[in-house]
Amino acid sequence: SQQGEEDPQALSIQEGENATMNCSYKTSINNLQWYRQNSGRGLVHLILIRSNEREKHSGRLRVTLDTSKKSSSLLITASRAADTASYFCATDISNSGYALNFGKGTSLLVTP
Amino acid sequence: DSGVTQTPKHLITATGQRVTLRCSPRSGDLSVYWYQQSLDQGLQFLIQYYNGEERAKGNILERFSAQQFPDLHSELNLSSLELGDSALYFCASNRDRGFTGELFFGEGSRLTVL
Repeated sequence: SQQGEEDPQALSIQEGENATMNCSYKTSINNLQWYRQNSGRGLVHLILIRSNEREKHSGRLRVTLDTSKKSSSLLITASRAADTASYFCATDISNSGYALNFGKGTSLLVTP
Repeated sequence: DSGVTQTPKHLITATGQRVTLRCSPRSGDLSVYWYQQSLDQGLQFLIQYYNGEERAKGNILERFSAQQFPDLHSELNLSSLELGDSALYFCASNRDRGFTGELFFGEGSRLTVL
């Protein structure tokens, strides 16, 4: 079952614009991660933010976490065509052991 | 290159058949995770092994089974295949028992059941 849900499902922007994707989750977490997937390829880790952190930066990426609202956002600044991919948030939940559960992703298209 | 190797990359088989997917984790990684990705269900966690022992279980069907061998490679066995089992199957690895850090994903095995 999905723990995180990304919004929007799809996003189309032009190069140079900023892209913002949101993730909402249901239960308390230890950390939240964002991954990127190029079409048909494996997922690549982008950034991890812990539950006691509010904001984190990595290059053109900025992630925020609001545990009171159970939500996170991923901002990609100055988008490039090469940023075209699907972006997933993933949260750790304790079920039968620990699992990292992924949302269904936001499909980002950046046009030149 | 994540360092995680999955074989085969593509597999086409018929309903009712059995297949085995193989995963070699990154050097030094003790945990292996299996995920299934389909258009309707998204990315579903199946099962995790840590150093040869099952550690966590997700939405894995009874027709599916997995194991991790002493050399830490893992195999996912899918039997009595149905059309709905067609999906991308990913293996991921990391050094941790839990989820304190990132997962490193392989390129996946694409299974088509006809």
